[in-house]
Amino acid sequence: QVQLVQSGAEVKKPGASVKISCKASGYTFSSYAMHWVRQAPGQRLEWMGWLNAGDGNTKYSQNFQGRVTITRDTSASTAYMELSSLRSEDTAVFYCARDRLPKRITYSHDYWGQGTLVTVSS
Amino acid sequence: QSVLTQPPSVSAAPGQKVTISCSGSSSNIGNNYVSWYQQLPGTAPKLLIFENNKRPSGIPDRFSGSKSGTSATLGITGLQTGDEADYYCETWDGSLSAGVFGGGTKLTVL
Repeated sequence: QVQLVQSGAEVKKPGASVKISCKASGYTFSSYAMHWVRQAPGQRLEWMGWLNAGDGNTKYSQNFQGRVTITRDTSASTAYMELSSLRSEDTAVFYCARDRLPKRITYSHDYWGQGTLVTVSS
Repeated sequence: QSVLTQPPSVSAAPGQKVTISCSGSSSNIGNNYVSWYQQLPGTAPKLLIFENNKRPSGIPDRFSGSKSGTSATLGITGLQTGDEADYYCETWDGSLSAGVFGGGTKLTVL
């Protein structure tokens, strides 16, 4: 069965960076894009970007441009999301979410990680 | 603020039907598929509807989706207390060149 397992909660100081992992299992990792979504406490979901796990191509939301980097290690079937220059407003749960169709970007996500809470506080 | 507008909350009694709207524009809903997600408290979102009106396997037919012009609607019939959750629409916005979610709608089953 498809599973996405994310790394644990993080506490960071303003200005620091955080890197979250998302380990995939139960399917061919390189065949599907992986998206990342942010959800601040009590707030809506916010799309951050996607990674083509096959060729490593990425696309990022302008809201995070310059601060977010999504990468992958195909040998480990793991995607990573790094967010830099953290500020208090980045305190949120971050989710990885698989695109629904192989080799396509549909902006529809059929499997989600459990979420990783990042707290930014001095 | 999201480019997709949802009502903040809806409510209905058990067994009744409720609809949740998602209003956008020609750059998003008007020319792209819409997906809907259910997010139970403290959990990750779950895909309910994709391509406007299709249900993944395992999603009961109490959940339905439709789209007309620049608006989409999620319908839930036979409401259960377990349906209490936040519901989000999502699509692609060509002007923003980004995925976009609605603001979310909290469903209360009275």
